[in-house]
Amino acid sequence: SQTIHQWPATLVQPVGSPLSLECTVEGTSNPNLYWYRQAAGRGLQLLFYSVGIGQISSEVPQNLSASRPQDRQFILSSKKLLLSDSGFYLCAWTGVLPYEQYFGPGTRLTVT
Amino acid sequence: QKEVEQNSGPLSVPEGAIASLNCTYSDRGSQSFFWYRQYSGKSPELIMSIYSNGDKEDGRFTAQLNKASQYVSLLIRDSQPSDSATYLCAVNIGGNNRLAFGKGNQVVVIP
Repeated sequence: SQTIHQWPATLVQPVGSPLSLECTVEGTSNPNLYWYRQAAGRGLQLLFYSVGIGQISSEVPQNLSASRPQDRQFILSSKKLLLSDSGFYLCAWTGVLPYEQYFGPGTRLTVT
Repeated sequence: QKEVEQNSGPLSVPEGAIASLNCTYSDRGSQSFFWYRQYSGKSPELIMSIYSNGDKEDGRFTAQLNKASQYVSLLIRDSQPSDSATYLCAVNIGGNNRLAFGKGNQVVVIP
């Protein structure tokens, strides 16, 4: 069965510090991968998606970037965090069935 | 116009009653529709998918789709306290399996 992992589960970072969040998927190959952010009291915002290794599409211009160095690994990064980057970061994948996305456990980021 | 709208405020229902949630979408080309349940502090969990007009039942959940009216709904029968959560409506947009999500409706089931 397929499993998606995200770490860390929680993170507190000062403004201006770098960020690296990792997502890995097990039990599937060549999944589409997604990064979302859910800010307090707001909906899910799609940040990036990837259809394959090295292929990244950005939905929202901001100080975040994403990379996909391996088929089942998706990384979200920032060189300098802003207060507005605080939120719940979710990784998701789609497999065989089109459009059905499954979410990882998420990383709760607080920028202080 | 937002891609996916869920306009109802928090919904309080007594235990055993039916909870009804509604969602409208803007893209007439959308073909895939989903409901996710999100408990407080947790990630969204896919509970229903529907692709054709009409009703689809899964246990106590029924999803209803009307493409002509661009409307999808979720019914929760015999509501239980464990159903207390935020329910997110999601609709496919564009290509590459992209989904647009509504802001969600909070459901509170009162014992």
